[in-house]
Amino acid sequence: DTAVSQTPKYLVTQMGNDKSIKCEQNLGHDTMYWYKQDSKKFLKIMFSYNNKELIINETVPNRFSPKSPDKAHLNLHINSLELGDSAVYFCASSQGGAGNTIYFGEGSWLTVV
Amino acid sequence: GQSLEQPSEVTAVEGAIVQINCTYQTSGFYGLSWYQQHDGGAPTFLSYNALDGLEETGRFSSFLSRSDSYGYLLLQELQMKDSASYFCAVRDQGGKLIFGQGTELSVKP
Repeated sequence: DTAVSQTPKYLVTQMGNDKSIKCEQNLGHDTMYWYKQDSKKFLKIMFSYNNKELIINETVPNRFSPKSPDKAHLNLHINSLELGDSAVYFCASSQGGAGNTIYFGEGSWLTVV
Repeated sequence: GQSLEQPSEVTAVEGAIVQINCTYQTSGFYGLSWYQQHDGGAPTFLSYNALDGLEETGRFSSFLSRSDSYGYLLLQELQMKDSASYFCAVRDQGGKLIFGQGTELSVKP
């Protein structure tokens, strides 16, 4: 069973579109994250939720809106996609709000054309 | 500010030993972690040091010196499958896990 699963794995879309990436974890963790990895492989945290409550909200354009319906799910919705949004988006989870052992999903490769 | 510095790339041969260094500057410090990421894959946890000293896990060891804001990952008996990117990461007082830029390790036959 996949511990952290996210869909879709690949997404190619046009500028201006709105898209969502879904994430689910079956590890029983209470904290979930969204990370963005750019073409230079730099991993940057975007958001973190602990028990459905937003606890970390980095300087991210408000076109990005996370939603956590329950502690096992954290979805990411992106409005008005721009070319610069092209990246790999990783969902992750950990036990504890500041866990050092973070379990990552396989990534969602977003290409905006 | 918060920053982590690690070499961008390292090359070594099979069977050799390689050390990947990481220096950090963060607001608060709650441990140094290392993650491995193969091309096209997800980062996976390798090790964690909260206290000074060496932690060993099989062929991999990780070291931390808090007074020097420095740590390293040591990979022994290198294998081709160890070719990957290695990231150091520190947790700051805000609870965020901050990653370094990654070191791309190439293992040659």
